Amino acid sequence: DARVTQTPRHKVTEMGQEVTMRCQPILGHNTVFWYRQTMMQGLELLAYFRNRAPLDDSGMPKDRFSAEMPDATLATLKIQPSEPRDSAVYFCASGLSALAETQYFGPGTRLLVL
Amino acid sequence: DQQVKQNSPSLSVQEGRISILNCDYTNSMFDYFLWYKKYPAEGPTFLISISSIKDKNEDGRFTVFLNKSAKHLSLHIVPSQPGDSAVYFCAASVTGTASKLTFGTGTRLQVTL
Repeated sequence: DARVTQTPRHKVTEMGQEVTMRCQPILGHNTVFWYRQTMMQGLELLAYFRNRAPLDDSGMPKDRFSAEMPDATLATLKIQPSEPRDSAVYFCASGLSALAETQYFGPGTRLLVL
Repeated sequence: DQQVKQNSPSLSVQEGRISILNCDYTNSMFDYFLWYKKYPAEGPTFLISISSIKDKNEDGRFTVFLNKSAKHLSLHIVPSQPGDSAVYFCAASVTGTASKLTFGTGTRLQVTL
């Protein structure tokens, strides 16, 4: 069955290093979302793409985070430089529309920045 | 400022009993509410939703109740099953779209035998 895939599933890195997380949306989906889950804040929306164009990245720290969709089958989230407070689980979700019920989440990337 | 709050980090319920998960919100502009279920090592999956024009929505064993005056919603699971053990997130939206979702911090439900 169709699923959103994310790589890597786990990442441990040192402060200051660049981190790249990848997401393959479900084929045919035209909306992609990046979320961050922390214990204190729950799930927060970082960025939102439709037809590969960024529509909203207001939830993303602009100085160190960047999100792109080089093509329809790949979305990336980069952190440079990474900091310990970036430690969280990062989820990608894709959908056929902006309706929340139509989103499918990937399994997440668990990031630990030492 | 947490606009959507799930004040119970965890809940334990016996199999066959009712599970009640609660969620409070502060933004009166929210008009659409959703519940998600999340198993370990998986992403959240959509469970059930409710619009602010309703006060109840039912889907099988799952019912969501909305009390707009109290800015409170709850998810009832009857009867609870071991497979319901998961983390449940409530989320709220002004427009019903995913780009405007505000999530709570989650409640871990454990259904015991």
